[in-house]
Amino acid sequence: DIQMTQSPSSLSTSVGDRVTITCQASQDISKYLNWYQQKPGRAPKLLIYDASNLQSGVPSRFSGSGSGTDFTLTITSLQPEDLATYYCQQYENLPLTFGQGTRLDIK
Amino acid sequence: QIQLVQSGAEVRRPGSSVNVSCKASGGTFSSHTITWVRQAPGQGLEWMGRIIPILGTINHAQKFLGRLTITADRSTSTAYMEMSSLTSEDTAVYYCARVRRNGLDVWGQGTTVIVSS
Repeated sequence: DIQMTQSPSSLSTSVGDRVTITCQASQDISKYLNWYQQKPGRAPKLLIYDASNLQSGVPSRFSGSGSGTDFTLTITSLQPEDLATYYCQQYENLPLTFGQGTRLDIK
Repeated sequence: QIQLVQSGAEVRRPGSSVNVSCKASGGTFSSHTITWVRQAPGQGLEWMGRIIPILGTINHAQKFLGRLTITADRSTSTAYMEMSSLTSEDTAVYYCARVRRNGLDVWGQGTTVIVSS
C-alpha cells in the first residue's frame, strides 16, 4: 500500500495567514493526488483533484502543487471558514490511501 | 445536482452484521464509481472498497476481505455496503462517495455505526 504522510499534523493559524500543508507519498504517484477539507461532523469536501486542479465552487485562495512524491496545499489569506482538517489522498494504486490529516485551528 | 443519501444510524452487537445503503438523489450513478470510506471516532479516513455499477467491478481493501460485501442496484441507483463479524473496532461513520475526475466529489451524509454489547 502507498503511505501518505502529511505535515504538520496540526497548525495554529490566524485569519489572513498564508498556510502551507505538505503531503509526501511513499512512492511515485505522478499527479494522482487529491485534497479534501473536513469540518467537524461533516463529510469531507473535495478541494483539489489531479494535484493542482481546483474543484468547481472552491475559492481561488486554495491551490495545489507537486508531482511524484511531494505535494503541497496552499491557502492564501486564511478565512474563518477554512478552519477544518485537511487530507491528501492518492489514487495511483488501490487501495486508495489518505494522509493522517492536518488540523487547522485559531492561534 | 446529484446527492447521495445514506440510511440511518445503526447499533449492532459484536459478531453481527450491518447493511448501509446509499441512494443517488437528483440523478443516477450513470457510469461513475461509488466508493466506501469510513472514519473511526477522532481518526482519519479509511478506504474500504468501491464498485463500478455499469461494469459490475468490485474492489475491496485487503483488511476487509471476507466480511465486506459491496453491491449496487442500477435500477434504483442505490449502492449497499454490508459488513459482517462486527467488532468494536468497526464503530465509525461510514460514507459513500462518487468518483468523478478521479476525485471523490459527492459524498453521502455519513452513517454512524456503533458496535457495542
